[in-house]
Amino acid sequence: GAVVSQHPSWVICKSGTSVKIECRSLDFQATTMFWYRQFPKQSLMLMATSNEGSKATYEQGVEKDKFLINHASLTLSTLTVTSAHPEDSSFYICSANSPGTQETQYFGPGTRLLVL
Amino acid sequence: AQTVTQSQPEMSVQEAETVTLSCTYDTSESDYYLFWYKQPPSRQMILVIRQEAYKQQNATENRFSVNFQKAAKSFSLKISDSQLGDAAMYFCAYNTNAGKSTFGDGTTLTVKP
Repeated sequence: GAVVSQHPSWVICKSGTSVKIECRSLDFQATTMFWYRQFPKQSLMLMATSNEGSKATYEQGVEKDKFLINHASLTLSTLTVTSAHPEDSSFYICSANSPGTQETQYFGPGTRLLVL
Repeated sequence: AQTVTQSQPEMSVQEAETVTLSCTYDTSESDYYLFWYKQPPSRQMILVIRQEAYKQQNATENRFSVNFQKAAKSFSLKISDSQLGDAAMYFCAYNTNAGKSTFGDGTTLTVKP
């Protein structure tokens, strides 16, 4: 099946620094990837849709200048949390649609971010 | 807008028994897809089963099966012969060809030995 990786799996950073999270589709090309945020014991909250070669589409209430998304190739999307603050601490998950099954998403293992 | 509702925040089942997780959804679309995902303590989202709305036959995957009632907009998941490894948070999700999913709030399943 389709495999999606994320790097790093966890990161601790100081308040005010920027953190980049990578999402890669390992064995397929993904024109669209999705970025989610999840708090403990809660559902996934869609932050943005990452489109290869074009600007990301952000969900209402998500600051596009705070969460920068770049979809540089058909296998890589990056999420940069700029000037991170403790309230940005969360679990971030990316997903991609497997080719031929646009409606089925395959998820990366997630990235735990802790901002001190 | 589409919504997905999971009315059971927590469920428990005895090992080897059967449990059913509930999910209802609301949509005006006629062509869509429904999913159940499992999220174990590792937090990796795992696809359990999917159902195309145009198919009347309920999807099955080994010990996992669904009861899809399109008119009632209901999509429950039945887990038979429950195993300790089934303990996880389960999410019901809705999607269309656009690829963007809507998730329910999740049901935490505990399996008792």
